[in-house]
Amino acid sequence: DVQMTQSPSTLSASVGDRVTITCRASQTVHTWLAWYQQKPGKAPRLLIHDASSLESGVPSRFSGSGSGTEFTLTITSLQPDDFAVYYCHQYNSFFWTFGQGTKVEMK
Amino acid sequence: QVQMVESGGGVVQPGRSLTLSCTVSGINFHYYAMHWVRQAPGKGLEWLAVISHDGGDKKYRDSVKGRFTISRDNSKNTVSLQMPGLRSEDTATYFCVVSTGAFQPFDYWGQGILVAVSS
Repeated sequence: DVQMTQSPSTLSASVGDRVTITCRASQTVHTWLAWYQQKPGKAPRLLIHDASSLESGVPSRFSGSGSGTEFTLTITSLQPDDFAVYYCHQYNSFFWTFGQGTKVEMK
Repeated sequence: QVQMVESGGGVVQPGRSLTLSCTVSGINFHYYAMHWVRQAPGKGLEWLAVISHDGGDKKYRDSVKGRFTISRDNSKNTVSLQMPGLRSEDTATYFCVVSTGAFQPFDYWGQGILVAVSS
Protein backbone atom coordinates (compact mmCIF):
# COMPACT_ATOMS: atom_id res chain seq x y z
CA ASP A 1 0.00 0.00 0.00
CA VAL A 2 1.14 3.52 -0.77
CA GLN A 3 1.34 5.60 2.41
CA MET A 4 0.64 9.31 2.07
CA THR A 5 2.06 11.67 4.68
CA GLN A 6 1.03 15.30 4.87
CA SER A 7 2.75 18.10 6.72
CA PRO A 8 1.98 20.03 8.72
CA SER A 9 -1.05 18.48 10.42
CA THR A 10 -2.25 21.94 11.47
CA LEU A 11 -1.34 25.29 10.01
CA SER A 12 -2.25 28.63 11.58
CA ALA A 13 -2.45 31.47 9.09
CA SER A 14 -4.04 34.85 8.44
CA VAL A 15 -6.05 36.15 5.53
CA GLY A 16 -3.64 37.15 2.78
CA ASP A 17 -0.92 34.70 3.80
CA ARG A 18 0.78 32.34 1.39
CA VAL A 19 0.17 28.78 2.53
CA THR A 20 2.01 25.63 1.49
CA ILE A 21 1.05 22.05 2.35
CA THR A 22 3.33 19.11 1.56
CA CYS A 23 2.36 15.56 0.73
CA ARG A 24 4.89 12.75 0.55
CA ALA A 25 4.21 9.28 -0.91
CA SER A 26 5.97 6.12 0.28
CA GLN A 27 6.60 5.15 -3.35
CA THR A 28 6.18 6.89 -6.65
CA VAL A 29 2.66 7.82 -7.72
CA HIS A 30 3.97 9.66 -10.80
CA THR A 31 1.49 12.57 -11.10
CA TRP A 32 -1.62 10.61 -10.09
CA LEU A 33 -2.21 12.89 -7.14
CA ALA A 34 -5.23 14.98 -6.20
CA TRP A 35 -5.99 17.58 -3.55
CA TYR A 36 -9.35 18.00 -1.84
CA GLN A 37 -10.80 20.63 0.47
CA GLN A 38 -13.24 19.60 3.17
CA LYS A 39 -15.35 21.81 5.39
CA PRO A 40 -17.18 20.60 8.52
CA GLY A 41 -20.17 18.41 7.73
CA LYS A 42 -19.49 18.46 4.01
CA ALA A 43 -18.08 16.08 1.45
CA PRO A 44 -14.58 16.69 0.14
CA ARG A 45 -14.32 18.96 -2.89
CA LEU A 46 -11.82 18.13 -5.63
CA LEU A 47 -9.47 21.07 -6.15
CA ILE A 48 -6.56 19.71 -8.18
CA HIS A 49 -5.98 16.52 -10.12
CA ASP A 50 -2.95 15.05 -11.86
CA ALA A 51 -0.79 16.93 -9.33
CA SER A 52 -1.16 20.36 -10.93
CA SER A 53 -4.41 20.59 -12.95
CA LEU A 54 -6.92 22.97 -11.43
CA GLU A 55 -10.52 21.82 -11.45
CA SER A 56 -13.02 24.03 -13.22
CA GLY A 57 -14.38 26.68 -10.90
CA VAL A 58 -11.52 26.49 -8.40
CA PRO A 59 -9.92 29.89 -7.76
CA SER A 60 -6.53 30.46 -9.35
CA ARG A 61 -4.97 31.19 -5.93
CA PHE A 62 -4.81 27.39 -5.54
CA SER A 63 -1.99 25.56 -7.28
CA GLY A 64 -0.35 22.17 -7.10
CA SER A 65 3.07 20.91 -8.04
CA GLY A 66 5.30 17.88 -7.79
CA SER A 67 5.76 14.41 -9.16
CA GLY A 68 6.97 11.04 -8.01
CA THR A 69 6.86 11.15 -4.23
CA GLU A 70 6.83 14.86 -3.30
CA PHE A 71 3.89 17.19 -3.85
CA THR A 72 2.75 20.59 -2.67
CA LEU A 73 -0.50 22.50 -2.53
CA THR A 74 -0.09 26.27 -2.41
CA ILE A 75 -2.65 28.95 -1.67
CA THR A 76 -1.11 32.24 -2.74
CA SER A 77 -3.33 34.60 -0.76
CA LEU A 78 -5.47 32.88 1.85
CA GLN A 79 -9.12 33.95 1.83
CA PRO A 80 -11.72 33.54 4.61
CA ASP A 81 -13.41 30.76 2.63
CA ASP A 82 -10.16 28.74 2.55
CA PHE A 83 -10.10 27.78 6.25
CA ALA A 84 -10.73 24.06 5.98
CA VAL A 85 -9.03 20.66 6.01
CA TYR A 86 -7.02 19.65 2.95
CA TYR A 87 -6.27 16.09 1.87
CA CYS A 88 -3.95 14.66 -0.73
CA HIS A 89 -4.99 11.46 -2.50
CA GLN A 90 -3.07 9.07 -4.70
CA TYR A 91 -4.86 7.18 -7.44
CA ASN A 92 -1.84 5.54 -9.04
CA SER A 93 -2.44 2.16 -7.56
CA PHE A 94 -5.03 0.01 -5.90
CA PHE A 95 -5.76 0.66 -3.24
CA TRP A 96 -6.48 4.32 -3.16
CA THR A 97 -5.04 6.19 -0.20
CA PHE A 98 -5.28 9.62 1.37
CA GLY A 99 -3.02 11.75 3.48
CA GLN A 100 -4.12 12.29 7.06
CA GLY A 101 -5.21 15.84 6.35
CA THR A 102 -3.95 19.36 7.07
CA LYS A 103 -6.19 21.73 8.97
CA VAL A 104 -5.75 25.35 7.95
CA GLU A 105 -6.98 27.44 10.87
CA MET A 106 -7.15 31.12 11.62
CA LYS A 107 -4.18 32.54 13.49
CA GLN B 1 -25.44 18.50 -12.68
CA VAL B 2 -24.40 15.37 -10.82
CA GLN B 3 -26.51 14.46 -7.81
CA MET B 4 -25.75 11.61 -5.43
CA VAL B 5 -28.09 10.77 -2.61
CA GLU B 6 -27.13 8.26 0.07
CA SER B 7 -29.60 6.47 2.31
CA GLY B 8 -29.79 3.64 4.81
CA GLY B 9 -27.62 4.94 7.61
CA GLY B 10 -28.49 5.19 11.29
CA VAL B 11 -27.72 3.96 14.78
CA VAL B 12 -27.31 0.21 15.23
CA GLN B 13 -26.09 -2.14 17.92
CA PRO B 14 -22.82 -4.03 17.47
CA GLY B 15 -23.28 -7.18 15.41
CA ARG B 16 -26.29 -5.84 13.54
CA SER B 17 -26.46 -5.07 9.82
CA LEU B 18 -27.09 -2.07 7.62
CA THR B 19 -27.24 -1.61 3.86
CA LEU B 20 -26.31 1.76 2.46
CA SER B 21 -27.57 2.87 -0.94
CA CYS B 22 -26.54 5.69 -3.21
CA THR B 23 -28.64 6.85 -6.15
CA VAL B 24 -26.86 8.86 -8.82
CA SER B 25 -28.24 11.20 -11.45
CA GLY B 26 -26.76 13.61 -13.97
CA ILE B 27 -24.14 11.24 -15.39
CA ASN B 28 -24.11 8.04 -17.43
CA PHE B 29 -23.95 5.89 -14.31
CA HIS B 30 -23.26 2.64 -16.15
CA TYR B 31 -19.99 4.02 -17.59
CA TYR B 32 -18.26 4.59 -14.28
CA ALA B 33 -16.71 2.74 -11.37
CA MET B 34 -18.20 3.52 -7.98
CA HIS B 35 -16.46 3.66 -4.63
CA TRP B 36 -17.34 3.88 -0.95
CA VAL B 37 -15.14 6.01 1.31
CA ARG B 38 -15.67 6.53 5.03
CA GLN B 39 -14.58 9.04 7.63
CA ALA B 40 -14.64 8.26 11.34
CA PRO B 41 -15.59 11.20 13.58
CA GLY B 42 -12.75 13.74 13.62
CA LYS B 43 -10.56 11.51 11.47
CA GLY B 44 -9.35 11.31 7.87
CA LEU B 45 -10.67 9.67 4.74
CA GLU B 46 -10.49 5.90 4.26
CA TRP B 47 -11.21 4.15 0.99
CA LEU B 48 -13.32 1.01 1.48
CA ALA B 49 -14.45 -0.60 -1.75
CA VAL B 50 -14.82 -0.20 -5.51
CA ILE B 51 -17.05 -1.81 -8.10
CA SER B 52 -16.40 -1.67 -11.84
CA HIS B 53 -18.83 -0.07 -14.25
CA ASP B 54 -20.52 -3.40 -15.04
CA GLY B 55 -20.26 -4.89 -11.56
CA GLY B 56 -17.90 -7.59 -12.73
CA ASP B 57 -14.93 -6.53 -10.61
CA LYS B 58 -14.94 -5.60 -6.94
CA LYS B 59 -12.12 -4.75 -4.58
CA TYR B 60 -12.03 -4.05 -0.83
CA ARG B 61 -9.63 -2.82 1.78
CA ASP B 62 -8.46 -5.63 4.03
CA SER B 63 -10.34 -4.47 7.12
CA VAL B 64 -13.72 -4.97 5.42
CA LYS B 65 -12.90 -7.74 2.94
CA GLY B 66 -15.16 -10.72 3.56
CA ARG B 67 -17.46 -8.60 5.71
CA PHE B 68 -18.82 -5.78 3.51
CA THR B 69 -20.25 -6.32 0.01
CA ILE B 70 -20.47 -3.69 -2.69
CA SER B 71 -23.02 -4.08 -5.48
CA ARG B 72 -24.75 -2.00 -8.12
CA ASP B 73 -27.93 -1.92 -10.16
CA ASN B 74 -27.32 -0.01 -13.38
CA SER B 75 -31.04 -0.07 -14.22
CA LYS B 76 -31.66 2.02 -11.08
CA ASN B 77 -28.42 4.06 -11.09
CA THR B 78 -27.75 2.76 -7.61
CA VAL B 79 -24.73 1.43 -5.75
CA SER B 80 -25.06 -0.32 -2.40
CA LEU B 81 -22.87 -1.39 0.49
CA GLN B 82 -24.04 -4.29 2.63
CA MET B 83 -22.53 -4.15 6.11
CA PRO B 84 -23.29 -7.14 8.31
CA GLY B 85 -21.72 -7.70 11.71
CA LEU B 86 -21.06 -4.03 12.41
CA ARG B 87 -18.44 -3.08 14.99
CA SER B 88 -17.91 0.09 16.97
CA GLU B 89 -14.92 0.92 14.76
CA ASP B 90 -17.26 1.05 11.74
CA THR B 91 -18.82 4.21 13.17
CA ALA B 92 -18.26 6.83 10.48
CA THR B 93 -19.77 8.97 7.78
CA TYR B 94 -19.91 6.96 4.57
CA PHE B 95 -19.58 8.62 1.17
CA CYS B 96 -20.35 7.14 -2.23
CA VAL B 97 -17.96 8.42 -4.86
CA VAL B 98 -17.71 8.42 -8.65
CA SER B 99 -14.41 7.98 -10.40
CA THR B 100 -14.74 8.67 -14.09
CA GLY B 101 -12.02 6.27 -15.20
CA ALA B 102 -8.79 4.50 -14.46
CA PHE B 103 -6.14 6.86 -13.11
CA GLN B 104 -8.80 9.39 -12.28
CA PRO B 105 -9.41 11.17 -8.98
CA PHE B 106 -12.64 10.98 -7.05
CA ASP B 107 -14.63 13.46 -9.09
CA TYR B 108 -18.04 13.43 -7.44
CA TRP B 109 -19.02 12.71 -3.85
CA GLY B 110 -22.33 12.10 -2.16
CA GLN B 111 -23.24 14.22 0.84
CA GLY B 112 -22.33 11.43 3.24
CA ILE B 113 -24.45 9.37 5.59
CA LEU B 114 -23.76 8.58 9.22
CA VAL B 115 -23.48 5.05 10.57
CA ALA B 116 -23.20 4.87 14.35
CA VAL B 117 -22.55 1.51 15.98
CA SER B 118 -23.30 1.62 19.66
CA SER B 119 -24.88 -0.53 22.34
